[in-house]
Amino acid sequence: AAGVIQSPRHLIKEKRETATLKCYPIPRHDTVYWYQQGPGQDPQFLISFYEKMQSDKGSIPDRFSAQQFSDYHSELNMSSLELGDSALYFCASSFRDIYSNTEAFFGQGTRLTVV
Amino acid sequence: AQSVTQLGSHVSVSEGALVLLRCNYSSSVPPYLFWYVQYPNQGLQLLLKYTSAATLVKGINGFEAEFKKSETSFHLTKPSAHMSDAAEYFCAVSWMDSSYKLIFGSGTRLLVRP
Repeated sequence: AAGVIQSPRHLIKEKRETATLKCYPIPRHDTVYWYQQGPGQDPQFLISFYEKMQSDKGSIPDRFSAQQFSDYHSELNMSSLELGDSALYFCASSFRDIYSNTEAFFGQGTRLTVV
Repeated sequence: AQSVTQLGSHVSVSEGALVLLRCNYSSSVPPYLFWYVQYPNQGLQLLLKYTSAATLVKGINGFEAEFKKSETSFHLTKPSAHMSDAAEYFCAVSWMDSSYKLIFGSGTRLLVRP
């Protein structure tokens, strides 16, 4: 079965550079979530999109932005990278109807290292 | 504010022994509850979920969890641990009126001794 695809799997950037992380949800899923997991930490919610509109926002720095495109894939753009941005970034997708929401399926993550 | 607490950052059991990982939540509205497993450098895999149906939920790999509203708990159990169960386990909650985003507990690392 198709899963959530994230690219790239690994990314090394220097301080003050920019990075773009991509997420391709499971087909027919209309909701995308982004999470950040620092070393030894639990995943922290960053932002989510439903039907290409931002639906919720968490502890996402102003230096980060994201969007969901017409084909439902999503991109997380990170600028002015800092050492503290080094983390595993997860994307998850789900399908939401008016009654409920399926569980979120996670991608394998993108490991970002800022040097 | 809604939150999730996992008691014990590390749990060590012998192979074949009972696994019990504890999770308590704080919520003013009925939550959806989940257990995820994460192997090193891997993504999060759903073990099981509670969505207001049966209070005893069976998941993959022999795991199950029981929702106890009176105790605001959703503990994860497995009758007999296997070496392959060694991983990080996260309890998580979500709510319909919070866009279904997941709030995770701090995680419990399960160690299985031979």
